[in-house]
Amino acid sequence: DTEVTQTPKHLVMGMTNKKSLKCEQHMGHRAMYWYKQKAKKPPELMFVYSYEKLSINESVPSRFSPECPNSSLLNLHLHALQPEDSALYLCASSPTMTSYKTEAFFGQGTRLTVV
Amino acid sequence: TQLLEQSPQFLSIQEGENLTVYCNSSSVFSSLQWYRQEPGEGPVLLVTVVTGGEVKKLKRLTFQFGDARKDSSLHITAAQPGDTGLYLCAGDRGGSNYKLTFGKGTLLTVNP
Repeated sequence: DTEVTQTPKHLVMGMTNKKSLKCEQHMGHRAMYWYKQKAKKPPELMFVYSYEKLSINESVPSRFSPECPNSSLLNLHLHALQPEDSALYLCASSPTMTSYKTEAFFGQGTRLTVV
Repeated sequence: TQLLEQSPQFLSIQEGENLTVYCNSSSVFSSLQWYRQEPGEGPVLLVTVVTGGEVKKLKRLTFQFGDARKDSSLHITAAQPGDTGLYLCAGDRGGSNYKLTFGKGTLLTVNP
């Protein structure tokens, strides 16, 4: 299995809703990421988990709350989002066997629209 | 400050033409990756270069890592409409934080 699977593929939510994005990989990768991407822009790093521990938070607002229940799963809990948070949310994973090379394998993303 | 400068940002060419995309930095990278992304999809890893001066080929795509490991290029020969997409370079500074720094991307359109 060489895939990173993200659900749902599309999500529309109101500004008072609470929702969660899910990500799963079975490649044995011990680094997992959440990125946010606006149209025609590069992915912006939000969070990095390394060995199930949060290692990087790129000053993301607290309305985004990541969770790593185990080495295969990564969630992003959303609460009280703003319309400007509408974007493609990408999950990625990376093998950690070598410290000199980081290769990210991305899921297809969740297209989030906040109304 | 953009750690990785990617150019050009937009490129529109005719089928059959050649093109080169550049990724430059003042910093040394432990490795550098190139990704291609189609609309509505996640980026797909094309290649990783690790050694200074390294050249890798993937069909009509040629990737080069600079001798000092600060820059890289992607050359496409005889571009086809199927090459259309957003090309992203990403650098890794090494160590155990597993953080990738992305360039701004090159939006390539190959017209039939």
